[in-house]
Amino acid sequence: EAQVTQNPRYLITVTGKKLTVTCSQNMNHEYMSWYRQDPGLGLRQIYYSMNVEVTDKGDVPEGYKVSRKEKRNFPLILESPSPNQTSLYFCASSFRGDTQYFGPGTRLTVL
Amino acid sequence: GIQVEQSPPDLILQEGANSTLRCNFSDSVNNLQWFHQNPWGQLINLFYIPSGTKQNGRLSATTVATERYSLLYISSSQTTDSGVYFCAAPFNAGGTSYGKLTFGQGTILTVHP
Repeated sequence: EAQVTQNPRYLITVTGKKLTVTCSQNMNHEYMSWYRQDPGLGLRQIYYSMNVEVTDKGDVPEGYKVSRKEKRNFPLILESPSPNQTSLYFCASSFRGDTQYFGPGTRLTVL
Repeated sequence: GIQVEQSPPDLILQEGANSTLRCNFSDSVNNLQWFHQNPWGQLINLFYIPSGTKQNGRLSATTVATERYSLLYISSSQTTDSGVYFCAAPFNAGGTSYGKLTFGQGTILTVHP
């Protein structure tokens, strides 16, 4: 089944404790993205990647890191999480920027 | 970057009614997408529609790129249509996506039985 998977689905952590949210797609898509969704602010892009080792900043990259060492994986790294990073996070992929397929979401709470 | 505005912000319908959701964008695009976020938070792509009209069951979408808007039509609405509808366009003027999208604020649709 073609899909985008994210793990974990739910995470509660504390300020400053490094964490990684994994994202994987099995559709051989070139483009992958990370978004965060906050009430009243909608969906905002954090980072995107157009291919292996090619990444660029989205609208709200501060406090996040990404890497794209393999085509199928695009992990999101929070080196030192803060409470303002409490949000619902989505990973998405597309062939070349066309139809976007979203993962199920990761609900992160930073205390 | 491009600005994307959706209207109306909220819409309440009785089951069986028809509705039209609108998405305006500030510059020409070659990539316009509609998404549905169901009450459980799942985001589903409805249409990839840079221009013209597409139909999928009770849903259809039309994009008039030259006039910078897109419409999503929902006919004979059902309670399962409830949720938030987003449109998204490429961030860059000129419409080349390169994976960087700007989303509208969404239309919250509630369909009552």
